[in-house]
Amino acid sequence: AQKVTQAQTEISVVEKEDVTLDCVYETRDTTYYLFWYKQPPSGELVFLIRRNSFDEQNEISGRYSWNFQKSTSSFNFTITASQVVDSAVYFCALSEAGYGQNFVFGPGTRLSVLP
Amino acid sequence: NAGVTQTPKFQVLKTGQSMTLQCAQDMNHEYMSWYRQDPGMGLRLIHYSVGAGITDQGEVPNGYNVSRSTTEDFPLRLLSAAPSQTSVYFCASSYSEGGASPYEQYFGPGTRLTVT
Repeated sequence: AQKVTQAQTEISVVEKEDVTLDCVYETRDTTYYLFWYKQPPSGELVFLIRRNSFDEQNEISGRYSWNFQKSTSSFNFTITASQVVDSAVYFCALSEAGYGQNFVFGPGTRLSVLP
Repeated sequence: NAGVTQTPKFQVLKTGQSMTLQCAQDMNHEYMSWYRQDPGMGLRLIHYSVGAGITDQGEVPNGYNVSRSTTEDFPLRLLSAAPSQTSVYFCASSYSEGGASPYEQYFGPGTRLTVT
């Protein structure tokens, strides 16, 4: 069965600090996909990244970067030089390939960036 | 494109009442799904559909029904509302390569449901 764990329930940082959000997943499949979503205080869910299990290269997009390590089943998300607008709940999600695409979300990490 | 739309935005029901949450998408996505979001529990999958006429249960299907008669629409029916169904409900859709490769989901704005 699939499972996603985000052990950090809430994190507070001061603006311009770097922060890493942890995501650990469990799956028996060799082909799977990992996602990160952002939910700002307004409530909508915003897609950030999709990564398949065969691509372990780290990815950087502006101030955002992702570290995928199959050896530890982790897909961590780092925000560099955090800003107040980064305050949101961040969700990590997992979906196995194949019919059904049963997406499983982690419980989320609430990030507060203080000015 | 309107993306994924949901109606209503807010709803209050009494225990035992039934209602339908509407969801529509205009992106011609094969895959659609319904989630509920409760504090501290992330999003939990209720039902999903991989195409018109095909639906399946997710993690928490009890008390809910779905149907998919068209590609665009995926309504969620609450049969007999209970206080435990108080939650925020999100509908989502995504492109799907015949179900082989899950792509990012596009979410609707959500429906906040309170059952008293």
